[in-house]
Amino acid sequence: EVQLVQSGAEVKKPGESLKISCQVSGYVFTAYWTGWVRQMPGKGLEWMGIIFPRDSETQYNPSFQGQVTISADKSIATAYLQWDSLKASDTAIYYCVRVIRRHLSNWYFDIWGRGTLVSVSS
Amino acid sequence: SYVVTQEPSVSVAPGQTATIRCGGNNIETKSVHWYQQKPGQAPVLVVHDDTDRPSGIPERFSGVKSGDPATLTIRRVEAGDEADYYCQVWDSDNGQPIFGGGTTLTVL
Repeated sequence: EVQLVQSGAEVKKPGESLKISCQVSGYVFTAYWTGWVRQMPGKGLEWMGIIFPRDSETQYNPSFQGQVTISADKSIATAYLQWDSLKASDTAIYYCVRVIRRHLSNWYFDIWGRGTLVSVSS
Repeated sequence: SYVVTQEPSVSVAPGQTATIRCGGNNIETKSVHWYQQKPGQAPVLVVHDDTDRPSGIPERFSGVKSGDPATLTIRRVEAGDEADYYCQVWDSDNGQPIFGGGTTLTVL
């Protein structure tokens, strides 16, 4: 069974760092791009970025470039999303997704993790 | 940048057909993908590449694209279909995927 298992909910203070994880199983991790999607409270979906675990190539939504870092450890089939300094506005659910790239201008997200709730408050 | 428009809400009686629309400039030239998000759950892909259903998605869900807007049609609507539905396309202007704002389907 294809699964993306995300790490648990986090409660942090502004300025703190954080790294959340997404461990995949049921398919070859290095054969697919893995991405992250943000959903702020009561809002819609926003694509943040993706990584190709085989060579760690990344692409970011310009809105998130420099704000987060996406990485992967192919030895344990795990992708990561990290912040160096959280802000209250980072409060959201973050979904890990498997990315299907039909070609350069057609992507979609066929498998979703259950999400990691990140709460940032002083 | 590219804007994807969805009506905020759609209501339909059980057993009827729901039509959820997704509009945007030249959307007929783009591949449209649809996701269902039930309350408190992660989104699920229900249609990809305009009309294709992933395995396990009921035939009641179908995508149609014959112009603007693209549509997701849900036939014989059930109470369990209550959810937010998001369309997603490629934003050629910015070279990235983009979601519509979502449509909340209410089953009366």
